[in-house]
Amino acid sequence: DAKTTQPPSMDCAEGRAANLPCNHSTISGNEYVYWYRQIHSQGPQYIIHGLKNNETNEMASLIITEDRKSSTLILPHATLRDTAVYYCIALNTNAGKSTFGDGTTLTVKP
Amino acid sequence: SQTIHQWPATLVQPVGSPLSLECTVEGTSNPNLYWYRQAAGRGLQLLFYSVGIGQISSEVPQNLSASRPQDRQFILSSKKLLLSDSGFYLCAHAAGDNSPLHFGNGTRLTVT
Repeated sequence: DAKTTQPPSMDCAEGRAANLPCNHSTISGNEYVYWYRQIHSQGPQYIIHGLKNNETNEMASLIITEDRKSSTLILPHATLRDTAVYYCIALNTNAGKSTFGDGTTLTVKP
Repeated sequence: SQTIHQWPATLVQPVGSPLSLECTVEGTSNPNLYWYRQAAGRGLQLLFYSVGIGQISSEVPQNLSASRPQDRQFILSSKKLLLSDSGFYLCAHAAGDNSPLHFGNGTRLTVT
């Protein structure tokens, strides 16, 4: 699975969009981009994933660059409850193994 | 729907004691199963994964072992715990076909 790079921390004002970047320049053709978030002392929660097309669900939007070397998770209207650590990973779950980096700590401020 | 159960939620064990953490999955067959460990303030370290009964892959040589005695049961064990085994242990499953990982609520282990 490809290595991912994320900024260690970001701030966002409540009600504004939070844009979380992720670099995955070594991603292979059969690896998807997954985003998770973790609130303290809980298991990571799945948010969204995609292969090459942009994706949207009730939680967030995922924008993947055309060359697939980077992506951005967008929380359109951040709330205080969105404060968490966000992990981006590139993997193929059919292959079994998966590793997580240290993620981005997003702090939503009132 | 798929559900993952992991217990206990917290555990305090003395150094040298054995360990057994259990994880079970409902609502799916032949899932990929995973054990992760997380140190305070860090990301998740993959310890073991399994793509089928009796098939265990170890990612990090260490004091721990894993077993999959049934299709939807994954067990993490140790014969003698070390202080360095303290951490937050998470079980996860995936249905394959590039479906996402889903995590349990974790076990916080403190070795004293």
